Amino acid sequence: AQSVTQLGSHVSVSEGALVLLRCNYSSSVPPYLFWYVQYPNQGLQLLLKYTSAATLVKGINGFEAEFKKSETSFHLTKPSAHMSDAAEYFCAVSGGGGFKTIFGAGTRLFVKA
Amino acid sequence: DAMVIQNPRYQVTQFGKPVTLSCSQTLNHNVMYWYQQKSSQAPKLLFHYYDKDFNNEADTPDNFQSRRPNTSFCFLDIRSPGLGDAAMYLCATSRDGLPGPTDTQYFGPGTRLTVL
Repeated sequence: AQSVTQLGSHVSVSEGALVLLRCNYSSSVPPYLFWYVQYPNQGLQLLLKYTSAATLVKGINGFEAEFKKSETSFHLTKPSAHMSDAAEYFCAVSGGGGFKTIFGAGTRLFVKA
Repeated sequence: DAMVIQNPRYQVTQFGKPVTLSCSQTLNHNVMYWYQQKSSQAPKLLFHYYDKDFNNEADTPDNFQSRRPNTSFCFLDIRSPGLGDAAMYLCATSRDGLPGPTDTQYFGPGTRLTVL
């Protein structure tokens, strides 16, 4: 069975500050891990994905995530927050059951001016 | 640009009045998914099609049905909407749905359903 836990339902940062959104996963098989972003009244947009090619994954909009097997983590970071980064972020895992992708509960990022 | 399109973006229906939501894709993907997403929650998978094979999640109510007449289109039918069915409905596609580098889901913009 697979699961995803996102630590913190809400994260608030100042513009220009580091963004860190935490995700821990559980998987009995090598996982494929994803981060998606959702803006209000929009669908989910893929930010980045880990597919075992490299542990540090770079995505769109300056985001990156590092896969740490020993910590079963896949935290999302961005060095400098921008107001346009304010959105809901979902971590997801697949690989255990074919067609199914398991989503975390989401973290809402607030960016203060 | 290849994409996933959902129509309408906003749908209002009355309690008990059947409603159909539409999804189309130009990605030529084999798998199409329907998710229900309630406010501040993760998307919840309702069902998916692999080509013409329909796969229902065990906890999806019978009130929800789906049709996929061809590769490009997929419909979500809600036979008798209740107040609890008000949500964002997201359509997604993936190339083959199998774990691997290509196992990425691409989402449409969603349809927000209001039930009066």
